[in-house]
Amino acid sequence: AQSVTQPDIHITVSEGASLELRCNYSYGATPYLFWYVQSPGQGLQLLLKYFSGDTLVQGIKGFEAEFKRSQSSFNLRKPSVHWSDAAEYFCAVGAGGNTDKLIFGTGTRLQVFP
Amino acid sequence: DGGITQSPKYLFRKEGQNVTLSCEQNLNHDAMYWYRQDPGQGLRLIYYSQIVNDFQKGDIAEGYSVSREKKESFPLTVTSAQKNPTAFYLCASSIAFHRSGYTFGSGTRLTVV
Repeated sequence: AQSVTQPDIHITVSEGASLELRCNYSYGATPYLFWYVQSPGQGLQLLLKYFSGDTLVQGIKGFEAEFKRSQSSFNLRKPSVHWSDAAEYFCAVGAGGNTDKLIFGTGTRLQVFP
Repeated sequence: DGGITQSPKYLFRKEGQNVTLSCEQNLNHDAMYWYRQDPGQGLRLIYYSQIVNDFQKGDIAEGYSVSREKKESFPLTVTSAQKNPTAFYLCASSIAFHRSGYTFGSGTRLTVV
């Protein structure tokens, strides 16, 4: 069965530092992958998605992610973090089959220090 | 602007009462979903619907019910059979079979006292 693992529950970085959030997936075929961001008490906003083609995907808010099939990973990166990036980040993989269901990881909470 | 509206944002109910959470979208999306979010557990799928008058159970459907009488609406009822209903509930929608990801509502926080 498809699954997503986000190994880091909580990450703290200084403002201006680089960021990498890890995501590992389990999927039999070529996956379609997503990163979402959630501010406290709000819904989730799509940051970026990968279906096929270029393995480096650009998203909103200056985020990018790289699909690495050999490592079953889809890590999210940002070169310089802003205080407003503090939020919870979710990686998701398409469940496949005849549906559009997504399977979400347990999330990584990002804290940014000034 | 198109989007998904969940109401109310906060909901308090007494134990043993059924309660219905509203989800309406004007995106003309075919598929709609309900997720439950608890701290440290990510999002867990309750029910989903890909077309009107049809819906499927997700991973944690026990104690919940849904209906899909209109394309725009997918209400969720939390019944008294749900043993631990206090949670944050998220509704989402997507274009069916397009694999473009979800659009989410802003959520309803249900507290049962």
